[in-house]
Amino acid sequence: QVQLVQSGAEVKKPGASVKLSCKTSGYTFTSYYVHWFRQAPGQGLEWLGEIRPWGGSTNYAEKFQGRITLTRDTSTTTVYMQLNSLDSEDTALYYCARDGSGTLHFWFDSWGQGTLVTVSS
Amino acid sequence: QSVLTQPPSMSAAPGQKVTISCSGSSSNIGDNFVSWYQQLPGTAPKLLIYDNTERPSDIPDRFSGSKSGTSASLAITGLQTGDEADYYCGTWDSSLNIGVLGGGTRVTVL
Repeated sequence: QVQLVQSGAEVKKPGASVKLSCKTSGYTFTSYYVHWFRQAPGQGLEWLGEIRPWGGSTNYAEKFQGRITLTRDTSTTTVYMQLNSLDSEDTALYYCARDGSGTLHFWFDSWGQGTLVTVSS
Repeated sequence: QSVLTQPPSMSAAPGQKVTISCSGSSSNIGDNFVSWYQQLPGTAPKLLIYDNTERPSDIPDRFSGSKSGTSASLAITGLQTGDEADYYCGTWDSSLNIGVLGGGTRVTVL
């Protein structure tokens, strides 16, 4: 079955960087887009960006341009999300999700369990 | 400020119907498929509707989606206490090349 398993919780100081992983299994890794979302405490979902695992091309939300990098390792079927220059507003639960359409129909049938990132001095 | 507009909250009695609206523009909803998600407290979002109207096999037909022009809707009929959750719409924006989401609607069963 399709699974996305994310790395564990992180605590970072303001100004630091964080790199999260999303290990996928149960499907052909290079056939499906992977997107990242986040949800701050008590807030709604926010889209961060997407990566196309076959070639590694990406699109990012304008708000995070220059601060976020999505990469992938096809040998381990893992996607990574790095976010730099963290501040308290980046404290959130971060999710990776697979676009089940195989294109950009933007629907997500499998989600990671979420990784809590806490930014605090 | 979310790109797609949803009502913040809705409520209805058990057995009743709620319809959640999702308003966008010609470059997002007007040009692409819409999906809907249910998020129960402390859990990851769950796909309810994809490609505007399609339901995954494990989603009951009490949930239905529709789209017209630059707006979409999610209807929940026969409301149950287990339907109390946050609901989100989402789509791709062809002009900006980004994913866009609604701010979420909290449904309360009275």
